[in-house]
Amino acid sequence: DQQVKQNSPSLSVQEGRISILNCDYTNSMFDYFLWYKKYPAEGPTFLISISSIKDKNEDGRFTVFLNKSAKHLSLHIVPSQPGDSAVYFCAATDGNNRKLIWGLGTSLAVNP
Amino acid sequence: EPEVTQTPSHQVTQMGQEVILRCVPISNHLYFYWYRQILGQKVEFLVSFYNNEISEKSEIFDDQFSVERPDGSNFTLKIRSTKLEDSAMYFCASRIGHRSSYEQYFGPGTRLTVT
Repeated sequence: DQQVKQNSPSLSVQEGRISILNCDYTNSMFDYFLWYKKYPAEGPTFLISISSIKDKNEDGRFTVFLNKSAKHLSLHIVPSQPGDSAVYFCAATDGNNRKLIWGLGTSLAVNP
Repeated sequence: EPEVTQTPSHQVTQMGQEVILRCVPISNHLYFYWYRQILGQKVEFLVSFYNNEISEKSEIFDDQFSVERPDGSNFTLKIRSTKLEDSAMYFCASRIGHRSSYEQYFGPGTRLTVT
C-alpha cells in the first residue's frame, strides 16, 4: 500500500547548495502534509508542514511546496548544512484521528 | 521545551512473553499514538487514543495488543504474547488537538527485540 512515496532513497549535496527532497502521494483525501527529520537511534523530529489549501510554506531555511494537481510535494533546504544530514520522511494525514501515513524516507548527506 | 519520553530505550524479551512499553506524552496534548518501524521498512501506524479510548487502530493492532492511559501522564502499549515479527522500533507520539494543527511529536522510541 504505497499511498506516500519517496522515490529517492538517498541524496548527496554540497554544503551551501540547495537540497530538494521529493514526495508523491496517491490518496486525494490527504489534506495535510508533514516533513520529519530523523537521526539514527532517535525518534522523528517535526520539521515543517503544509495544509492542502496552500501551495507553499516557509520556515527559515526550509520551504515545502505542494502541487495538488500532481499529488507532489517537495522540501527545499537552502543553504544546506552538514548538520542537515539525516533521513527525511514525508507523511500525510486526513480524517478525524489524523494518523500519519509515511514514505520510506530519503537519506540526505550534506558534504562539507 | 516539553518532549515525549519513552521507556525503556531497549527491551529484549523471549517469544511468548508479555511486554509493556511506556510513554509520557506532552502534558497538554489530547491525542496519543503508537507507531512502529521494522528495520528497513516504513513507519506504520498502530493505534490512536483520544478521550480515554481507542479512536482508530490498524490491522497490525490485533487482540495481542492493548493500550492504556492509567493515570494523567502515562500512555502504555502492551503486547501480550510477543512474536519474532514484533521486533521493531516502537514510537509514541502526541498531538495537541487544535484544529488546523496536526503535527505529532515523537518520543525517542523503544527498540523491542524478540528472541
